[in-house]
Amino acid sequence: QKEVEQNSGPLSVPEGAIASLNCTYSDRVSQSFFWYRQYSGKSPELIMSIYSNGDKEDGRFTAQLNKASQYVSLLIRDSQPSDSATYLCAVGQYSSASKIIFGSGTRLSIRP
Amino acid sequence: GAGVSQSPSNKVTEKGKDVELRCDPISGHTALYWYRQSLGQGLEFLIYFQGNSAPDKSGLPSDRFSAERTGGSVSTLTIQRTQQEDSAVYLCASSSIAVTINEQFFGPGTRLTVL
Repeated sequence: QKEVEQNSGPLSVPEGAIASLNCTYSDRVSQSFFWYRQYSGKSPELIMSIYSNGDKEDGRFTAQLNKASQYVSLLIRDSQPSDSATYLCAVGQYSSASKIIFGSGTRLSIRP
Repeated sequence: GAGVSQSPSNKVTEKGKDVELRCDPISGHTALYWYRQSLGQGLEFLIYFQGNSAPDKSGLPSDRFSAERTGGSVSTLTIQRTQQEDSAVYLCASSSIAVTINEQFFGPGTRLTVL
């Protein structure tokens, strides 16, 4: 079983709709959770971090964490073509600086 | 402020040669990480440095891979006797040591091609 699992996609969403990206993790003691966006040929860019159960909103992005279900998700509202990228879920054992494990990513395509 | 920098941006080498990849973290960040990303794949953790603590080398794929961090800042990843399967993008990231934060920021990567 992979430590961090994501659906590889591609996930196709019409412009203006909500894109929903999901991630599950296996280590029950994980404390830190991240979503990175990676454009083709570029390095990952941190877009959201979440450490507590519940929702965290930042602009058009909302991260949702459910530690009991070992599940973290990312919602992108009012999807734009510029949101087309691969989204990487990452999980860390600790809340402070430590190694994080990445999922293999979900490719998101926003169609005009 | 300046982000994480890496050099070279591209490296082409012949099988069997040694290569050195360099990472300069964000100023003030004491944690430094190396990852490898093969084409179309996720990120594979290689090694992690935190201050003066012993590095976490648990992700290094073989003894041909080593890394050091001098002066708590710049890090060098060395691959000896390169093989074709070493071809990948090598990414460096850094983070602060704030107690309640674990956010990592990535450099642009070094694309290594072993012929």
